[in-house]
Amino acid sequence: EPEVTQTPSHQVTQMGQEVILRCVPISNHLYFYWYRQILGQKVEFLVSFYNNEISEKSEIFDDQFSVERPDGSNFTLKIRSTKLEDSAMYFCASSRTSGIYNEQFFGPGTRLTVL
Amino acid sequence: QKEVEQNSGPLSVPEGAIASLNCTYSDRGSQSFFWYRQYSGKSPELIMSIYSNGDKEDGRFTAQLNKASQYVSLLIRDSQPSDSATYLCAVTAGNKLTFGGGTRVLVKP
Repeated sequence: EPEVTQTPSHQVTQMGQEVILRCVPISNHLYFYWYRQILGQKVEFLVSFYNNEISEKSEIFDDQFSVERPDGSNFTLKIRSTKLEDSAMYFCASSRTSGIYNEQFFGPGTRLTVL
Repeated sequence: QKEVEQNSGPLSVPEGAIASLNCTYSDRGSQSFFWYRQYSGKSPELIMSIYSNGDKEDGRFTAQLNKASQYVSLLIRDSQPSDSATYLCAVTAGNKLTFGGGTRVLVKP
């Protein structure tokens, strides 16, 4: 069964450093998403991406964040200058459609620890 | 602010019993409703989706939707210890998912 994959599974970085989180969405999916979950809190939407453009972003997704689809398979989230409060699990998700039947499938996540 | 509310639990049920989970949402424009299961330290796993009022059954799971009351529920029949997890309700008006905080379910043998 196709699945979303993410690398690395765990990333430790120093405050102020740049990190890139990588995702390979399900191959026939066209819509891609990043979510994050701070320990003990709700899963929060960051950004959605379709046709090489951001289609929606949350207030969390400020100028420190960017997304890119550098090739036909990868989807990346970059945090330019990490802060302590960026420590969280970051989940990539993908879906075949948007709209009503928007079933999103999540990858295993990357645990980001900012020291 | 669009909210999705769930009782945090834990909801403790004996093995073989029915677990009943509830979720309310604030955005009347919501069109799609999902239940995800999340084991500790793992990612959300989609287990049910429902789009219209009424019941939808899939194996031991039944989702129920009442748009007028802005209420969606999940029943887990014949609960097994492997069902012990946090169940997340998520709603969308078409793009981003808005999640509730989850209900922790403990199934005791």
